[in-house]
Amino acid sequence: DIQMTQSPFYVSASVGDRVTITCRASQGLSSWLAWYQQKPGKAPKLLIYAASSLQSGVPSRFSGSGYGTEFTLTISSLQPEDFATYYCQQASRFPSFGPGTKVDIK
Amino acid sequence: QVLLVESGGGVVQPGGSLRLSCAASGFIFSSYGVHWVRQAPGKGLEWVAFIQYDGKNKYYTDSVKGRFTISRDNSENTLYLQMNSLRAEDTAVYYCAKDRGLVVPTAPFYMDVWGKGTTVTVSS
Repeated sequence: DIQMTQSPFYVSASVGDRVTITCRASQGLSSWLAWYQQKPGKAPKLLIYAASSLQSGVPSRFSGSGYGTEFTLTISSLQPEDFATYYCQQASRFPSFGPGTKVDIK
Repeated sequence: QVLLVESGGGVVQPGGSLRLSCAASGFIFSSYGVHWVRQAPGKGLEWVAFIQYDGKNKYYTDSVKGRFTISRDNSENTLYLQMNSLRAEDTAVYYCAKDRGLVVPTAPFYMDVWGKGTTVTVSS
């Protein structure tokens, strides 16, 4: 099984800040990685797929990068609606998610 | 509007059974694979199962193999999850999620549309 880790577990940030979240995989994924945003009591929302492709309708302040075992999600200028938990997901035949990173208001 | 609506959750005793349903609309259901993903209270996301667009291939996470069965009825645009021998650790919100790939039976699997979820509680 492919294990996913994320860092940090928690980010305290202000509106306008640049936020970067890292995701690491126990095996090489090529570019088979997605990022999701989840707000409390809501379903997850796909932000990024194939490591760096922006899902339709997602603001351009979100970007993804990486290849193989290390990936990053960057929010270039944090907005009030971005405070949420972010999960990475490896996209193999048996998908698995990282533990999540909570982005909270400083 | 692409929509997934889950139903069938509830409270069940350990060892019991439940069948979840997921009604799809706004897209050609028979052209897409579909996943079940769950989230235990206060925990992260766990992928549970996937079924190919035509129902021919199905994949499960190890912890539910032999207990859960994923199926679909493309004539009714509906996905199912039959859950047997339920355990306390199956307690979670269960989401159905559409795979992003059009008629692609293999990885990579990205979930681009999610339902609101249905809650399953396993407790005596």
